[in-house]
Amino acid sequence: DIQMTQSPASLSASLEEIVTITCQPSQGIGNYLSWYQQKLGKSPQLLIHSATSLADGVPSRFSGSRSGTQYSLKINRLQVEDTGIYYCLQISSTPWTFGGGTKLELK
Amino acid sequence: QVQLQQSGAELAKPGSSVKISCKASGYTFTSYYISWIKQTTGQGLEYIGYINTGSGGTNYNEKFKGKATLTVDKSSSTAFMQLSSLTPDDSAVYYCARWDGTYPWVMDAWGQGASVTVSS
Repeated sequence: DIQMTQSPASLSASLEEIVTITCQPSQGIGNYLSWYQQKLGKSPQLLIHSATSLADGVPSRFSGSRSGTQYSLKINRLQVEDTGIYYCLQISSTPWTFGGGTKLELK
Repeated sequence: QVQLQQSGAELAKPGSSVKISCKASGYTFTSYYISWIKQTTGQGLEYIGYINTGSGGTNYNEKFKGKATLTVDKSSSTAFMQLSSLTPDDSAVYYCARWDGTYPWVMDAWGQGASVTVSS
């Protein structure tokens, strides 16, 4: 199985700050990577697909990037509604695997 | 709009089985796969498997073979997951999600989750 190492596990940031979360797969996954946001008591919501493509309806302050085998989710100008837990997901090969999650809080 | 409505919370005894439903609306049911995801506090999110809603073909995570059985009823646009021989480790929230099976390879709509608690 492909292991997805996500960091940091938790993060506290201020309003309007730039936040970056990373995922490192244990083997190559191409661009078969998505990012999800999960708010407390809710189901995950798609933010980014294909490593860099913004999902429909997602604010443009969210962006995804890839540098070699490292994948990143960046939030520009953090807003109150961005708090929650963020997960990366690889669907390059089954079993699909998720990162361990990053809990994002406001400072 | 696209919706996946899951059945309610279950309280089950060890050794028993539960069957969770996921009713789709707002799109052509057989144009998308349905995948199933397990969420626990300790293990995070785990892929259980997916089912081709048109053919009934399935893909299972090896970890859940023998534990989960995925089926569909096309006539009611509903997917099901049966969990058998339950143990406390099966206590979790289970999500169904729509998967496109082609580019952009995303699970873009999720059910609200079904909580399963296994306790004697």
